[in-house]
Amino acid sequence: QQQVKQSPQSLIVQKGGISIINCAYENTAFDYFPWYQQFPGKGPALLIAIRPDVSEKKEGRFTISFNKSAKQFSLHIMDSQPGDSATYFCAASTGTGNQFYFGTGTSLTVIP
Amino acid sequence: DAGITQSPRHKVTETGTPVTLRCHQTENHRYMYWYRQDPGHGLRLIHYSYGVKDTDKGEVSDGYSVSRSKTEDFLLTLESATSSQTSVYFCAISELAGVRDTQYFGPGTRLTVL
Repeated sequence: QQQVKQSPQSLIVQKGGISIINCAYENTAFDYFPWYQQFPGKGPALLIAIRPDVSEKKEGRFTISFNKSAKQFSLHIMDSQPGDSATYFCAASTGTGNQFYFGTGTSLTVIP
Repeated sequence: DAGITQSPRHKVTETGTPVTLRCHQTENHRYMYWYRQDPGHGLRLIHYSYGVKDTDKGEVSDGYSVSRSKTEDFLLTLESATSSQTSVYFCAISELAGVRDTQYFGPGTRLTVL
């Protein structure tokens, strides 16, 4: 079964708007939650990551919000730009070298 | 890009033929991974390696085998390719990022099985 559930599958946002992508998990042993950004024809690239000891992490226009009790985390892209149009994957893992479990991806389109 | 290359980048083959994909890394990482990416399924782990000659199965390992005879190379073999193995294959390595290991991906190999 899908260890990490991601929604929505696709998202269309106007330039300057806020894009929000949500993920949920069940395994409470997960202790690392990265987000990846993938452009067509490229491999996924690490965007931002969070550990469950903090509720929010911000890097530029990208913010992860983490709700440990609800076992949910989300990616917020502020002031979305056409260059942000890509597929975004959330993931979760435990421990060094352990498996990463990925969500099914969200295709984001930012309209100029 | 964490010094990861994949070859070939594109391949078209016929059902029943063997196929080997190569992942090469230049930075002596211990952990290496093979994923496949399919619409609606995201990235799914096929096999991974935690050292030379040390490998283990992932979520979707049926029909695939791997080998790692050198630290820098991780090979994925489809012994007898099937159309269901048409996919984009990504290799990844695990590297320390801040206080935790995280995974970095290669450019991918697009495989089409006719």
